[in-house]
Amino acid sequence: KNQVEQSPQSLIILEGKNCTLQCNYTVSPFSNLRWYKQDTGRGPVSLTIMTFSENTKSNGRYTATLDADTKQSSLHITASQLSDSASYICVVSAGYGGATNKLIFGTGTLLAVQP
Amino acid sequence: EPEVTQTPSHQVTQMGQEVILRCVPISNHLYFYWYRQILGQKVEFLVSFYNNEISEKSEIFDDQFSVERPDGSNFTLKIRSTKLEDSAMYFCASNLALPYEQYFGPGTRLTVT
Repeated sequence: KNQVEQSPQSLIILEGKNCTLQCNYTVSPFSNLRWYKQDTGRGPVSLTIMTFSENTKSNGRYTATLDADTKQSSLHITASQLSDSASYICVVSAGYGGATNKLIFGTGTLLAVQP
Repeated sequence: EPEVTQTPSHQVTQMGQEVILRCVPISNHLYFYWYRQILGQKVEFLVSFYNNEISEKSEIFDDQFSVERPDGSNFTLKIRSTKLEDSAMYFCASNLALPYEQYFGPGTRLTVT
């Protein structure tokens, strides 16, 4: 069964600190892996997208890594800001790139950045 | 910057009633999707739509659900006879091509009483 699991479930950090969120997946066939940020009551917003051949991708203070062999990914946030408080969701796309792009969502890590 | 829009933002309906959730995808996008998120749970895929037909659907998307692209801009999700367990946030998404980024709308909160 296709699954995406994330840890920790929630995290509290102080403003300015760094943090790393983890994602493990069992999805076949694997197409790509994405990290989304979701503010409460809003739609997910994309941070990064990586195919199996990419090991790392950055978007400002966000850096995602992917190990396709161990089926693990991480999202590192540097110099956290209060506005980083949100749910961070690991999403794996399954498919061969045909007429579908089914996304399988993890449960998310709820990050709270405190002053 | 172009964005996906959804209406209404909140819909309250009685059990057994039909509801239609509306979405306007980004204008040049070709692939359209509906997802739902029950409060406190993860986002779940419902259906993908391309070239005026359903390309994939999940086990959640049973005969009570249907999708339509009635004109060149709107993409709708219809629930024929709502149940209490249909209460959720429903997100529409679109993308230009596979496997590119899906852009999500702000969601419609459906409350079935």
